[in-house]
Amino acid sequence: QKEVEQNSGPLSVPEGAIASLNCTYSDRGSQSFFWYRQYSGKSPELIMFIYSNGDKEDGRFTAQLNKASQYVSLLIRDSQPSDSATYLCAVPYNFNKFYFGSGTKLNVKP
Amino acid sequence: KAGVTQTPRYLIKTRGQQVTLSCSPISGHRSVSWYQQTPGQGLQFLFEYFSETQRNKGNFPGRFSGRQFSNSRSEMNVSTLELGDSALYLCASSSTGVNTEAFFGQGTRLTVV
Repeated sequence: QKEVEQNSGPLSVPEGAIASLNCTYSDRGSQSFFWYRQYSGKSPELIMFIYSNGDKEDGRFTAQLNKASQYVSLLIRDSQPSDSATYLCAVPYNFNKFYFGSGTKLNVKP
Repeated sequence: KAGVTQTPRYLIKTRGQQVTLSCSPISGHRSVSWYQQTPGQGLQFLFEYFSETQRNKGNFPGRFSGRQFSNSRSEMNVSTLELGDSALYLCASSSTGVNTEAFFGQGTRLTVV
């Protein structure tokens, strides 16, 4: 059974702070990892993905991957109230069969 | 470039009825996946179609079925609806590669009464 685990939160951070979202996965053979953001009542939208160990930066977002620890994280720098949403970690298997974590709800307070 | 289009956006059905949902993927994408999202279970994979063939299947009963047409548009069908089928049904479009990004449509909110 492929498992993707996330802390459900809510995670509350003040505006301008760094938000750190974490995800662990069960299958050591996993090759790629995706982060999605979902606003209430909306569909998930892709933020970024990472394949290699280390950090990958895209604007205010940084994804970090540690395959040895089976751990992937998403850092949001200079958090804004508009970043308040649920963040979903996703791991694909067997082509495009994605397993999603339950999501972490982020609340950025002005 | 147009995104993923799902129709209808909202549906209300009665227990025992059947329903068909439609998804048009991003132009050029040949993989279409379907997901069910509920507050209790989160996002769960239903099935994936690629070039008109079911390539992956989740752990849902046979009442849930799907198909894909030659233009990559996909439909999913749920027969003999149950109250527990009330959910947001999401379609995701992916290119031909392996483990590539999935782009979601706006979803169809199904309510079974």
